[in-house]
Amino acid sequence: NAGVTQTPKFQVLKTGQSMTLQCAQDMNHEYMSWYRQDPGMGLRLIHYSVGAGITDQGEVPNGYNVSRSTTEDFPLRLLSAAPSQTSVYFCASSYSLQRQNTEAFFGQGTRLTVV
Amino acid sequence: ILNVEQSPQSLHVQEGDSTNFTCSFPSSNFYALHWYRWETAKSPEALFVMTLNGDEKKKGRISATLNTKEGYSYLYIKGSQPEDSATYLCAFKRHTGNQFYFGTGTSLTVIP
Repeated sequence: NAGVTQTPKFQVLKTGQSMTLQCAQDMNHEYMSWYRQDPGMGLRLIHYSVGAGITDQGEVPNGYNVSRSTTEDFPLRLLSAAPSQTSVYFCASSYSLQRQNTEAFFGQGTRLTVV
Repeated sequence: ILNVEQSPQSLHVQEGDSTNFTCSFPSSNFYALHWYRWETAKSPEALFVMTLNGDEKKKGRISATLNTKEGYSYLYIKGSQPEDSATYLCAFKRHTGNQFYFGTGTSLTVIP
């Protein structure tokens, strides 16, 4: 089982460049989400989706776009990279938040540096 | 923004010691509390999903308890081993909303 596949693992961008972080899951999960991890802070939610065609903002959405055209894929787009977006990004998926016992499965993470 | 606090921030113990750490969360509107184990250079993996007040979960030498009325959960590791070295994260969800709120984690180092 592939689980949650997140690419790339590392990326260096120049300020102003755009890029897309890819996330795919093969577990037929309804809920998918993107987090960023910064030193001294917990995982902070950027955007999430409760199903294909439905997305919503999390705690820190500015500068990021998402779409969910299929159940499997949930790409995260950086529109115009800024040094403040230097971080480690994690994609995660869960079967459904309507099921109390559902756990999150995480991708391997992307270490992004914006110079 | 909802506050989930974990303590201590970091912990160094000798191999064989038992240890525990705390996750504190708002006591109202509780839905679920998760514990994750996060090894360096890997991604977080679920240890426990806890949903009922008084829940006790166990996996090998690791166990967890939950008190939703006072808003805390304890994670215990009995007889710590070097392979237990990791960051332990808790995540809280309310009944309303579609978001998990993560603590900053407790970093455990077990010294051989």
